[in-house]
Amino acid sequence: EAGVTQFPSHSVIEKGQTVTLRCDPISGHDNLYWYRRVMGKEIKFLLHFVKESKQDESGMPNNRFLAERTGGTYSTLKVQPAELEDSGVYFCASSSGPNTEAFFGQGTRLTVV
Amino acid sequence: AQSVTQLDSHVSVSEGTPVLLRCNYSSSYSPSLFWYVQHPNKGLQLLLKYTSAATLVKGINGFEAEFKKSETSFHLTKPSAHMSDAAEYFCVVIVTGAAGNKLTFGGGTRVLVKP
Repeated sequence: EAGVTQFPSHSVIEKGQTVTLRCDPISGHDNLYWYRRVMGKEIKFLLHFVKESKQDESGMPNNRFLAERTGGTYSTLKVQPAELEDSGVYFCASSSGPNTEAFFGQGTRLTVV
Repeated sequence: AQSVTQLDSHVSVSEGTPVLLRCNYSSSYSPSLFWYVQHPNKGLQLLLKYTSAATLVKGINGFEAEFKKSETSFHLTKPSAHMSDAAEYFCVVIVTGAAGNKLTFGGGTRVLVKP
């Protein structure tokens, strides 16, 4: 069974550009989460989907970030326009239920220059 | 509100010696606690979890952790370190509820294993 996969593994973009990160959860997992780790800081929660609905987006830093999960399968996280402080590693995780183990992808390392 | 503090950002051990990674938590509710590990270029992997059953929890790869409510601690240990244990380890607290998992991570402890 495939695990959580994220694309791309690395992305380097210029300030002001747009970047879209993708996450494919484990098949059948209704719960999908995004987390972020900026340099030298803790891993922080961004948002949580249940199927295609946003259950909790309290961790989204500002309106330059847009997450979608059309059809309740894969999810995208778009940053537009990107700023230098958006650099970090973006993790996606999925789980089958609200209180079951979350399985993480390998992360996308975003560098904004 | 909940929070997690990992007391050491880096730990260096010799192969074959014990490993101790310290974690203290703060939670308004009865917590569920986890340890995750991240090897280079890999995703976060669950090592073990505490969910109010036995206070001594055994995980994968010979790791175990003890929940001590009086000390609000959940330290991770392994009797004998192996070279493959070199990685970054995260202590995590979660408040369970109908809304699902919202994990709160500690800052991470990077483990170096010397031959």
